Amino acid sequence: KAGVTQTPRYLIKTRGQQVTLSCSPISGHRSVSWYQQTPGQGLQFLFEYFSETQRNKGNFPGRFSGRQFSNSRSEMNVSTLELGDSALYLCASSLVGGYNEQFFGPGTRLTVL
Amino acid sequence: DQQVKQNSPSLSVQEGRISILNCDYTNSMFDYFLWYKKYPAEGPTFLISISSIKDKNEDGRFTVFLNKSAKHLSLHIVPSQPGDSAVYFCAWGEQGGKLIFGQGTELSVKP
Repeated sequence: KAGVTQTPRYLIKTRGQQVTLSCSPISGHRSVSWYQQTPGQGLQFLFEYFSETQRNKGNFPGRFSGRQFSNSRSEMNVSTLELGDSALYLCASSLVGGYNEQFFGPGTRLTVL
Repeated sequence: DQQVKQNSPSLSVQEGRISILNCDYTNSMFDYFLWYKKYPAEGPTFLISISSIKDKNEDGRFTVFLNKSAKHLSLHIVPSQPGDSAVYFCAWGEQGGKLIFGQGTELSVKP
């Protein structure tokens, strides 16, 4: 069974631009969560989608948004990029979310210049 | 808000010996904890989990212990192998697909 895939793997943007990251979950998984990893803050939860609905949201500004499609694929968007948005963005999928273990993709490394 | 703390940023262990990684948490709700391992440039990989209805869960060389009264859990790796060298994250699982992670402990297993 194929794992979680994320595209692109690496991205360089400049301040003020916007970016869209994509995540394809494991086949049959309906829950997709997004996390940001930085050296200072560690792994922080952004939001979770299940059946195209956002069920849970972390403490990030409104510049961070996401969506999920009917095939469970998910995208996250960051508008008006700031230098502090440079991070590894990780996507994780699970069958139904909740207490199920989550399976992570390799991440997208975003660098904002 | 739940907080998860891993107070040791690094741990060095000799091959064949036991590695013990620790994690503390603040709130006692329904407790469900997971341990993940992470190599550089890869996403975290699930290792083992435990819920509050248990105080121990074992999977091969990995055992997790939960002490609810102390709000403390630990991951034991026996015997440790060089391939176990990675960053280990403790995470608290909440309904709605949210994991709250500790800061991680970098384990180095020396041959």
